[in-house]
Amino acid sequence: GEDVEQSLFLSVREGDSSVINCTYTDSSSTYLYWYKQEPGAGLQLLTYIFSNMDMKQDQRLTVLLNKKDKHLSLRIADTQTGDSAIYFCALTSGGGADGLTFGKGTHLIIQP
Amino acid sequence: DTGVSQDPRHKITKRGQNVTFRCDPISEHNRLYWYRQTLGQGPEFLTYFQNEAQLEKSRLLSDRFSAERPKGSFSTLEIQRTEQGDSAMYLCASSFPGRNTEAFFGQGTRLTVV
Repeated sequence: GEDVEQSLFLSVREGDSSVINCTYTDSSSTYLYWYKQEPGAGLQLLTYIFSNMDMKQDQRLTVLLNKKDKHLSLRIADTQTGDSAIYFCALTSGGGADGLTFGKGTHLIIQP
Repeated sequence: DTGVSQDPRHKITKRGQNVTFRCDPISEHNRLYWYRQTLGQGPEFLTYFQNEAQLEKSRLLSDRFSAERPKGSFSTLEIQRTEQGDSAMYLCASSFPGRNTEAFFGQGTRLTVV
């Protein structure tokens, strides 16, 4: 089945950019997502990208997709303390039958 | 309608008891999904419905797990004869059909089996 890998932790200084990386194995993945989860809360959809795109920008968020290397990244510009959370990469083939396949999540830690 | 609603938020039960969780999706969403999330892991897909039809259930963890969506609106997830390994967060999500890009999650039900 699909395998989605993420680093478990990322520490950045407030005001710097954060780059969270994700690699996956299934080249048929058609939709790729980033979700944010704060302590005790559900998952918040941040942004997504279709597999026929290589970049998507939405305010402070930039998603880059390298299909050849099966690598997805999320860049958060001007990282704030409110960005402290777990960030999940998730994939689907789009048909809905398999739901979303998630990575284990990256804990983003903000240093003052 | 403020989003996907799950009830209860927390459930503590004794091993061997049955538990049932409820999910109310966003009202215009036809698709409804259940996931399980254990500590330190990402959510794991269990099953999904389109309207009242359960279109995928092979990923339910065992025959102790079952889900229903009888009228195509709210859904329930039941776990029979709970085990300590069932302790987890159970998440519900909903989306428009064919719009997997916009699956919205509820806040989850945290189950503790003692």
